[in-house]
Amino acid sequence: AQSVAQPEDQVNVAEGNPLTVKCTYSVSGNPYLFWYVQYPNRGLQFLLKYITGDNLVKGSYGFEAEFNKSQTSFHLKKPSALVSDSALYFCAVRRTGFQKLVFGTGTRLLVSP
Amino acid sequence: EADIYQTPRYLVIGTGKKITLECSQTMGHDKMYWYQQDPGMELHLIHYSYGVNSTEKGDLSSESTVSRIRTEHFPLTLESARPSHTSQYLCASSDPRDIETQYFGPGTRLLVL
Repeated sequence: AQSVAQPEDQVNVAEGNPLTVKCTYSVSGNPYLFWYVQYPNRGLQFLLKYITGDNLVKGSYGFEAEFNKSQTSFHLKKPSALVSDSALYFCAVRRTGFQKLVFGTGTRLLVSP
Repeated sequence: EADIYQTPRYLVIGTGKKITLECSQTMGHDKMYWYQQDPGMELHLIHYSYGVNSTEKGDLSSESTVSRIRTEHFPLTLESARPSHTSQYLCASSDPRDIETQYFGPGTRLLVL
């Protein structure tokens, strides 16, 4: 069965420092991977996705993610964190053959001034 | 941001009341979804639809029902609300031409007393 794991409940980083939010996946076949962000009292916003092609995917708000097939990972990264990046981040994988996404448990990112 | 709307944004209601959570999108997407999310927690798919007159139950069993009479509208109904229904409900839609990227509404936060 397809699944994603986000091993960290929370990530703390100082403003201006690089950030990484981890995600590993388990799928049969080629994965379609997604990152979403959720700000307080809001719905989820799409950040980026990996379908095929370059392993480094660039998305909204300066975020990028690196697909690593050998490590089955899809970590979210940003070179320089902003306080406004503080939010809840969800990794998701599309089930092969199904028109649905499976979401991870979420990682709370806190960026301190 | 995507054009997907949910009303009401917040609802406080007594046990036993019938409620309908509205979701509409103006993007012409065939596929729509309802997720249930406790605050800061993972998303659970409770209903989805592939198009008009198509509805399916999701991964998490729910006492709610949905209908899809028009492409743009996907309401969720609870015939008799209970405190256990207290949660946030997120509606989403996707365009299969965009590799299933889901776009989310702002959510409805429901409190059943």
